[in-house]
Amino acid sequence: ETGVTQSPTHLIKTRGQQVTLRCSSQSGHNTVSWYQQALGQGPQFIFQYYREEENGRGNFPPRFSGLQFPNYSSELNVNALELDDSALYLCASSLPVPQGNGYTFGSGTRLTVV
Amino acid sequence: GEDVEQSLFLSVREGDSSVINCTYTDSSSTYLYWYKQEPGAGLQLLTYIFSNMDMKQDQRLTVLLNKKDKHLSLRIADTQTGDSAIYFCAESPDDYKLSFGAGTTVTVRA
Repeated sequence: ETGVTQSPTHLIKTRGQQVTLRCSSQSGHNTVSWYQQALGQGPQFIFQYYREEENGRGNFPPRFSGLQFPNYSSELNVNALELDDSALYLCASSLPVPQGNGYTFGSGTRLTVV
Repeated sequence: GEDVEQSLFLSVREGDSSVINCTYTDSSSTYLYWYKQEPGAGLQLLTYIFSNMDMKQDQRLTVLLNKKDKHLSLRIADTQTGDSAIYFCAESPDDYKLSFGAGTTVTVRA
């Protein structure tokens, strides 16, 4: 059973640029959630994808968007990067209604915006 | 701000017990969680408790849940240096997301 893999592990971008982060879900999971973890804070929910559609969204602007593919993998896209977008971006896979141990997190992508 | 609140720091001597406390806001959360994050790493699920339980024990870990006060605690018995990490409490206010606290940094001293 493979876990959640995210790529790249680290990324440096310039303010105003666009970035795409990738996530492969754990085998057997068909739902992917994205979280942003700023330095010194807890993860904040960005959105979730199920059946290739957005299934719930946190308090993030529209320049944060996503995709889910038929193989359940997912992308997070951020346009017009701002310095405050610097964070660890975590992906979690699950079934649509996870039981207690149902979320599996990846190791994250560390994005630095300069 | 955070709906889930935790103290920010805890220092404990090796071999002692650690207790991390958390208050949450959503009484409809089906599960409540404790995650561990080591430096530069993602989140590791430590344990979770179903909302109709008062206590759950899993080896060195004991979770206590007080639903009336919306208070959750994690006790780590015989704390080891490998337990040094950030610990996050999380609630599940909706089926599709987790809401995390800001994390408690646990430092284990010899």
